[in-house]
Amino acid sequence: ETGVTQTPRHLVMGMTNKKSLKCEQHLGHNAMYWYKQSAKKPLELMFVYNFKEQTENNSVPSRFSPECPNSSHLFLHLHTLQPEDSALYLCASRQSSYNSPLHFGNGTRLTVT
Amino acid sequence: GQQLNQSPQSMFIQEGEDVSMNCTSSSIFNTWLWYKQDPGEGPVLLIALYKAGELTSNGRLTAQFGITRKDSFLNISASIPSDVGIYFCAGPPSSKTSYDKVIFGPGTSLSVIP
Repeated sequence: ETGVTQTPRHLVMGMTNKKSLKCEQHLGHNAMYWYKQSAKKPLELMFVYNFKEQTENNSVPSRFSPECPNSSHLFLHLHTLQPEDSALYLCASRQSSYNSPLHFGNGTRLTVT
Repeated sequence: GQQLNQSPQSMFIQEGEDVSMNCTSSSIFNTWLWYKQDPGEGPVLLIALYKAGELTSNGRLTAQFGITRKDSFLNISASIPSDVGIYFCAGPPSSKTSYDKVIFGPGTSLSVIP
């Protein structure tokens, strides 16, 4: 149990589908993050929410739409994705103080066909 | 943009051997973080370093914050099969005061041969 739970663990979707990834943290943190991990590339920051407010959008295409209804839950809504969007999507949380490191979930392995 | 480099990219070692890997940057970091990612799981924090020259251990793992603040090292002593995984360095560059800007290196993949 990592304290950060992501569902589903695996997802296969067509390019015309709409799906959502869910993340829930049980650590009492107030900041949540979405990262994308592609093969042979460093983790890429996508979105950051602090106290439910989006504070970072790292030039992510609009076919990815985040939602943070409260400090414990984070969603990533997906629509009209491309095959190159296939990757491991990792959620992370932290307490929003300077030295507090990120805690990651186990990710959702997304395949776009 | 800023990036971290890790070497080696991959390692194959015999069980029981010691391991050394490093992480370098062209810019100064105030914090260095080392994470390990097991297959099929998310990264897990191993060690955090906050001061130049700092040497910190976590069991068989030891990490050092380089004096130049542009590098960090991770050593694993007496490796065992469960050390297999990808090791990432990470940190917020000194120009950024927020951990929201944490960047990650490309990782060192470690394989341990029993």
